[in-house]
Amino acid sequence: GAGVSQSPSNKVTEKGKDVELRCDPISGHTALYWYRQSLGQGLEFLIYFQGNSAPDKSGLPSDRFSAERTGGSVSTLTIQRTQQEDSAVYLCASSSPGLAGRYEQYFGPGTRLTVT
Amino acid sequence: AQSVTQPDIHITVSEGASLELRCNYSYGATPYLFWYVQSPGQGLQLLLKYFSGDTLVQGIKGFEAEFKRSQSSFNLRKPSVHWSDAAEYFCAVGAANSGYALNFGKGTSLLVTP
Repeated sequence: GAGVSQSPSNKVTEKGKDVELRCDPISGHTALYWYRQSLGQGLEFLIYFQGNSAPDKSGLPSDRFSAERTGGSVSTLTIQRTQQEDSAVYLCASSSPGLAGRYEQYFGPGTRLTVT
Repeated sequence: AQSVTQPDIHITVSEGASLELRCNYSYGATPYLFWYVQSPGQGLQLLLKYFSGDTLVQGIKGFEAEFKRSQSSFNLRKPSVHWSDAAEYFCAVGAANSGYALNFGKGTSLLVTP
């Protein structure tokens, strides 16, 4: 079946502009995660959605970052007033229901964000 | 503090040689352990996982890993490396008492020489 998809694959934006990154999880997966991968920081957790529960936002680096998940499926990560340090690859992952399944995360190809 | 350490940033092995990538963790609770591989320009692919039971786990592409609680380690091994194994390898840890986000190591870059 189809895996996790993300769009766009690449995004170049000017400092101060807002960007939206999209993630389509695997069908039937109730959990969705956003991570950021950068050279200096490695892979960092950003936010986690599980069903209709309130998201775990503990990894968001600042209030310029937000995410929503509509209809329990597609998610959008929004970065407002982008800064150069936001340049990174943003990875989305999803996982199936169940305790063990939640940890077995399947990743999309990522969106490479470059802030100029 | 919870942490995951991959001591080797880069490793070079000859094709056909054996491979061992190291991973150490520091977690208060029983950890769930994973190895992921990332090829250039690609997302992360799950190689194998450990939740409980047999401490030697088999994964895809001929990889295996062994959980050693006494050493807080979960090293990845392959008996004979192929050129297509060249990639970045990440160890990741989760725990039931710390949400469902995974904590990743910094990664080990594997180069395979002819």
